[in-house]
Amino acid sequence: GENVEQHPSTLSVQEGDSAVIKCTYSDSASNYFPWYKQELGKRPQLIIDIRSNVGEKKDQRIAVTLNKTAKHFSLHITETQPEDSAVYFCAASIGTGGFKTIFGAGTRLFVKA
Amino acid sequence: DADVTQTPRNRITKTGKRIMLECSQTKGHDRMYWYRQDPGLGLQLIYYSFDVKDINKGEISDGYSVSRQAQAKFSLSLESAIPNQTALYFCATSDPVLAGTGELFFGEGSRLTVL
Repeated sequence: GENVEQHPSTLSVQEGDSAVIKCTYSDSASNYFPWYKQELGKRPQLIIDIRSNVGEKKDQRIAVTLNKTAKHFSLHITETQPEDSAVYFCAASIGTGGFKTIFGAGTRLFVKA
Repeated sequence: DADVTQTPRNRITKTGKRIMLECSQTKGHDRMYWYRQDPGLGLQLIYYSFDVKDINKGEISDGYSVSRQAQAKFSLSLESAIPNQTALYFCATSDPVLAGTGELFFGEGSRLTVL
């Protein structure tokens, strides 16, 4: 079955710096790659997603890149702010309907003011 | 606001007890999921259901069972709880047709402690 690995497990950056979180997946049939943000004590919420027919997607300060050949995808956050502090999860699924979405272990991001 | 509601939000129980976690949704989504969250292990899929007649095992279904009572209701049962089932449990929904994406919509979570 699908396995998603996520690195680093913890990331600390200075406010205004960029943060990069990397993930790899094992099942070449996976074609939908969402990223979720979980603030302390709250539920995970989708922040950005990418489909396999796209190499990069941006939404304001966040961007995701996908390399299907290498089975890598990454989240980039620019101009980080204290409110970006949270746990971020990458995930992979087959089909864009949320079919059996498998998550990485998460990255705890600290943004120091 | 259409939402995903979990009950109870917190539960402390003893080893060997039967526990049911309930999930209801007003989003009108067909697909429902149960995930377990442990520190450092992300979200692991326990069971998922694409409609009332469809139930599928996820990554870690041993020790758990589910029931899809209606389109809007999906419950998770621990027949005989054990301490390593202590975790935060999330229900989620999705609907690629209604939502237009594979986004999962999570409930607020149910924290279960097994002593």
